[in-house]
Amino acid sequence: EAGVAQSPRYKIIEKRQSVAFWCNPISGHATLYWYQQILGQGPKLLIQFQNNGVVDDSQLPKDRFSAERLKGVDSTLKIQPAKLEDSAVYLCASSPPGTGKGYTFGSGTRLTVV
Amino acid sequence: GENVEQHPSTLSVQEGDSAVIKCTYSDSASNYFPWYKQELGKGPQLIIDIRSNVGEKKDQRIAVTLNKTAKHFSLHITETQPEDSAVYFCAPMDTGRRALTFGSGTRLQVQP
Repeated sequence: EAGVAQSPRYKIIEKRQSVAFWCNPISGHATLYWYQQILGQGPKLLIQFQNNGVVDDSQLPKDRFSAERLKGVDSTLKIQPAKLEDSAVYLCASSPPGTGKGYTFGSGTRLTVV
Repeated sequence: GENVEQHPSTLSVQEGDSAVIKCTYSDSASNYFPWYKQELGKGPQLIIDIRSNVGEKKDQRIAVTLNKTAKHFSLHITETQPEDSAVYFCAPMDTGRRALTFGSGTRLQVQP
């Protein structure tokens, strides 16, 4: 089966600019996650969708980050305006309905804010 | 929320030796205990997992052991090979929430 697709792979922007990342999960996976992974750390959950509804966005900095999954399939994560500390890899993952097994990650988008 | 600690942060072994990484968690509701391997430029990949009703699981050279009373689980890699060099993460989960909480990672280096 095809994996989780993410684009772009790399992005360099100046602080205060905006940026958007795209994710297409594995077909049939109802749950989609966005994680932020700062260099040298483990991934940190930003937001979790179940179909097109938000399950958990408690760690999403809502003053600058937003995410949507309008049709319950692909998703976009936006940052506006970006700060230097947003430099990280943004990972998308999806999992099928059920008990949590089958969590699959994409390769991520590496964001550098200068 | 879940507090996850992973030790050691770095581990260097000779090819053929064994490696053990330990993960401690705080949420007693966690009932799913996976280990992920992350190679440079890639997303984490599941290598082995265990559920709370099982104490140990083995898959060829890798094994996971769980002590739910003490709230820790460990990854064991035997007969290490250079291709095992990567960063390993534990990520316990309450399957009711269905979101993984990752540890800080262990960088394993296998010297040929």
